[in-house]
Amino acid sequence: GQNIDQPTEMTATEGAIVQINCTYQTSGFNGLFWYQQHAGEAPTFLSYNVLDGLEEKGRFSSFLSRSKGYSYLLLKELQMKDSASYLCAVRDDSQAGTALIFGKGTTLSVSS
Amino acid sequence: EPEVTQTPSHQVTQMGQEVILRCVPISNHLYFYWYRQILGQKVEFLVSFYNNEISEKSEIFDDQFSVERPDGSNFTLKIRSTKLEDSAMYFCASSERGTTNYGYTFGSGTRLTVV
Repeated sequence: GQNIDQPTEMTATEGAIVQINCTYQTSGFNGLFWYQQHAGEAPTFLSYNVLDGLEEKGRFSSFLSRSKGYSYLLLKELQMKDSASYLCAVRDDSQAGTALIFGKGTTLSVSS
Repeated sequence: EPEVTQTPSHQVTQMGQEVILRCVPISNHLYFYWYRQILGQKVEFLVSFYNNEISEKSEIFDDQFSVERPDGSNFTLKIRSTKLEDSAMYFCASSERGTTNYGYTFGSGTRLTVV
């Protein structure tokens, strides 16, 4: 089966750091993605991890532990425009597929 | 920056009617996808398409759904007889390769409302 869990909501203030966790149980694994989605808009790609460790890209970093089925997205120096849903998605290649399986998303609210 | 284009942006249709949602993937991409997102719920995979055939589909993608690449640029999703529960945002996505580490580029979506 496939299960991807992340917190439903988080709040933070401008300039702060926030960590959004994601745990997954999938039949296969060929990469974990983080997407940002503003209300009513398409998901936009943020990061990709396939090996254990930390990937840093500007204010955003993503971490993966395959043995624990765990990832997090770290957002630094938060800005109001970071208020959005953050989607954790796993590519499950157990059926030789390339599709992404998404979690329900974490809605982040950034206040001043 | 290359974009995935979807038309129409909004579609209202009566229950039982057929709808066709259109997508123009990025030109050098080879893998195409349809996802849907019911309001307030998660993004759900429907189908993937490669080399002019379906490569993978979910349980949601039943006989009411079909996909087609009628020419070299368009990729369509047809819902044969719409139901109220088909109301959702439908996203098309494409990727250069199935195992790209650059993610999939999503279109801006078609909001389908079935009344």
